[in-house]
Amino acid sequence: QKEVEQDPGPLSVPEGAIVSLNCTYSNSAFQYFMWYRQYSRKGPELLMYTYSSGNKEDGRFTAQVDKSSKYISLFIRDSQPSDSATYLCAMSVGQAGTALIFGKGTTLSVSS
Amino acid sequence: SQTIHQWPATLVQPVGSPLSLECTVEGTSNPNLYWYRQAAGRGLQLLFYSVGIGQISSEVPQNLSASRPQDRQFILSSKKLLLSDSGFYLCAWSVVGGEQFFGPGTRLTVL
Repeated sequence: QKEVEQDPGPLSVPEGAIVSLNCTYSNSAFQYFMWYRQYSRKGPELLMYTYSSGNKEDGRFTAQVDKSSKYISLFIRDSQPSDSATYLCAMSVGQAGTALIFGKGTTLSVSS
Repeated sequence: SQTIHQWPATLVQPVGSPLSLECTVEGTSNPNLYWYRQAAGRGLQLLFYSVGIGQISSEVPQNLSASRPQDRQFILSSKKLLLSDSGFYLCAWSVVGGEQFFGPGTRLTVL
């Protein structure tokens, strides 16, 4: 079993839809959880950074962590064509200054 | 504000040739620095990380090496490239205990 599992998609939604992106993991020691957005041929851009369980909201983005289920989610409200990208989840055991374990990414396409 | 630079942006090299990719960070001191490779369908793989000048940790044994000659400079090298070295190479930085921020990447094609 891989440490971090992420459905690669592609996921296609109409503009304005609510998008749910998910990752599952096997290592219960993970404590720090991140979501990155990566446009084609660009470096990943950090979207959300959360510690332990709970929710964090930033504008149209909400990150959820359920450590009991080893499951993390990213919700995008009112999706826009500019949200079309690959979304990578990442997590670490220690603080984020050490090695991150990434999911393979989910490709999202938002049509206008 | 902090910025991270990588060059070159794109590189095409023959098998067996040497490699040198450079990464520099501005606007911060004593960052942790990282080299990742992103291959199609395989996600991001950590290759090396460094917590200070001359301090390199290797995560995956292979024909690549890394060096950190200055506080904000991180170099990825190879003496002889293999076809399997093709990929998108990403440098990242963080402060101790902080989030990692990525550079724009170098797309390497080995022919």
